[in-house]
Amino acid sequence: KNEVEQSPQNLTAQEGEFITINCSYSVGISALHWLQQHPGGGIVSLFMLSSGKKKHGRLIATINIQEKHSSLHITASHPRDSAVYICAVALITSGSRLTFGEGTQLTVNP
Amino acid sequence: SAVISQKPSRDICQRGTSLTIQCQVDSQVTMMFWYRQQPGQSLTLIATANQGSEATYESGFVIDKFPISRPNLTFSTLTVSNMSPEDSSIYLCSAGQGYYNEQFFGPGTRLTVL
Repeated sequence: KNEVEQSPQNLTAQEGEFITINCSYSVGISALHWLQQHPGGGIVSLFMLSSGKKKHGRLIATINIQEKHSSLHITASHPRDSAVYICAVALITSGSRLTFGEGTQLTVNP
Repeated sequence: SAVISQKPSRDICQRGTSLTIQCQVDSQVTMMFWYRQQPGQSLTLIATANQGSEATYESGFVIDKFPISRPNLTFSTLTVSNMSPEDSSIYLCSAGQGYYNEQFFGPGTRLTVL
């Protein structure tokens, strides 16, 4: 079993829909990251969370430390949101080194 | 925040040759890391680049295959040595300021080995 599990693996939505991507982890962490990877390969860091909730534009990330679960929400989705979204955790035992989920491929159709 | 650039952005190489990838950060950072992403897979940490000393490699990665340099707090290189088609991947560097701080990622280097 992977230490970081994401769901769904693939998600197709229509423009304007509200999107949720989930991430569960099985070990103690010091921080959780949500990353966005576009087809060219480059990665953008969206959020880093250790508790609570963060919002940036149409993106919202939440984390529940007790339940070892985080969600990434996209409101009013747009085709330019199409990308792979990756959850990564910094384990308490490994400092800043990250362990990655498998990623969620999101496609938003116009 | 930190802006990270990588060179080259992509390359096509012949089997048996070596390629050095450069990672430049626009500010001094404590931590620098190198990752590999094989086709259809998630990212895997290769090593932590330590300034002024040998890199710390993850299980399955060795210095002879992936030598790493970090001469200062803003720059690191990763060399992929004696390449084979199995080394075809995206290689990314990341940088951060420490334990609880955000990590920033470079744009990646897409390597194809023929």
